[in-house]
Amino acid sequence: QVQLVQSGAEVKKPGASVKVSCRASGYTFTTYGMHWVRQAPGQRLEWMGWINAGNGNTEYSQKLQGRVTITRDTSASTAYMELSSLRFEDTAVYYCARDFPYSTGSLDPWGQGTLVTVSS
Amino acid sequence: SYELTQPPSVSVSPGQTARITCSGDALPKQYAYWYQQKPGQAPVMVIYKDSERPSGIPERFSGSSSGTTVTLTISGVQAEDEADYYCQSADSSGTYVVFGGGTKLTVL
Repeated sequence: QVQLVQSGAEVKKPGASVKVSCRASGYTFTTYGMHWVRQAPGQRLEWMGWINAGNGNTEYSQKLQGRVTITRDTSASTAYMELSSLRFEDTAVYYCARDFPYSTGSLDPWGQGTLVTVSS
Repeated sequence: SYELTQPPSVSVSPGQTARITCSGDALPKQYAYWYQQKPGQAPVMVIYKDSERPSGIPERFSGSSSGTTVTLTISGVQAEDEADYYCQSADSSGTYVVFGGGTKLTVL
């Protein structure tokens, strides 16, 4: 079955960068895009951007444009999300989610989430 | 920036019908999707393309669309349905994914 496994929790200082990985299995990685979504404690889901895993094209949210970079390694069936210039308000659970085969622009399934804590 | 509006909370008794709405100007043009999120877990899609149900989702979950509002309906609510529900769509250009603020469903 389709499975997305993310890297472990991170603690970073303000101003640093964090890179979260998402390893996919159970399907041909390059066939579908990968989205990244974050959720601050007690807050709504926030879409960060996505990558076309086939050609590497990306689209980022306007709010995070310039600080977020999404890449992929097709040989490892893994997508990456790097967020730079971290702020306290970037503390959140970060999820990867595959673009849903039956309707592009929707997300299913999701990874288990990676907690990123920004603390001095 | 484009926004989707949901009620913060909905409460129903077991066996009753829960309806959760989501409003947005681009909804007549863009499909809507619904996700269920239980505490400490990742979201799970329960409705796609306004009214389609993914494999494995119980039939009591249904979706509908009318103009700028979409609705998630849960018929015969069960205790296990207590969760946060998020609608999701895209802006009018179809470029950016947008989530609603989420609705906490409480089963009394």
